[in-house]
Amino acid sequence: DAGVTQSPTHLIKTRGQHVTLRCSPISGHKSVSWYQQVLGQGPQFIFQYYEKEERGRGNFPDRFSARQFPNYSSELNVNALLLGDSALYLCASSPRAGTYEQYFGPGTRLTVT
Amino acid sequence: KQEVTQIPAALSVPEGENLVLNCSFTDSAIYNLQWFRQDPGKGLTSLLLIQSSQREQTSGRLNASLDKSSGRSTLYIAASQPGDSATYLCAVRISNSNSGYALNFGKGTSLLVTP
Repeated sequence: DAGVTQSPTHLIKTRGQHVTLRCSPISGHKSVSWYQQVLGQGPQFIFQYYEKEERGRGNFPDRFSARQFPNYSSELNVNALLLGDSALYLCASSPRAGTYEQYFGPGTRLTVT
Repeated sequence: KQEVTQIPAALSVPEGENLVLNCSFTDSAIYNLQWFRQDPGKGLTSLLLIQSSQREQTSGRLNASLDKSSGRSTLYIAASQPGDSATYLCAVRISNSNSGYALNFGKGTSLLVTP
């Protein structure tokens, strides 16, 4: 079975632009979480979605938003990009929200110039 | 606020050595703890998940222990190999009204195993 997939792999954007990142969970998993990993740091939690509803939100500005679709795939949107948004964005899936083990995708490397 | 600390930040060992990576957390009210491996520029691979009621988990050459009351976990790697070279991340799962059941990560230990 395929694992968590993310697209695109790499992305270069200019300050002030908007970006959309995509994630498809493992088949049968209904929860998706997003994390931001800045170089040299551990991942920081952004959002968790389950059954199309937001179940958790980390300490990120309102420029960050996400949604989950009926097929359980998810999008992360970031508006008004800043240089500090350059990071590896990781998506994780789990069977449900809660304390289930999370399985991570390969990530999307975003560079903001 | 839950703080997760990993020591050492970096470690270099010759092939064949046994080694221990340390993780500490400030709030003992955790649901579980996961150890991950991350290769440069790549995603995370889950190595071991320990529930808060468990003391240890084993997978092959890896053994992870959890002492929830003292806020500590260790990852033991036996007979290290050059292929074990990667960054190892520790993450604890807590619950709060804002972040739900998010994982809180440490900064990781960068391991280099030399032939």
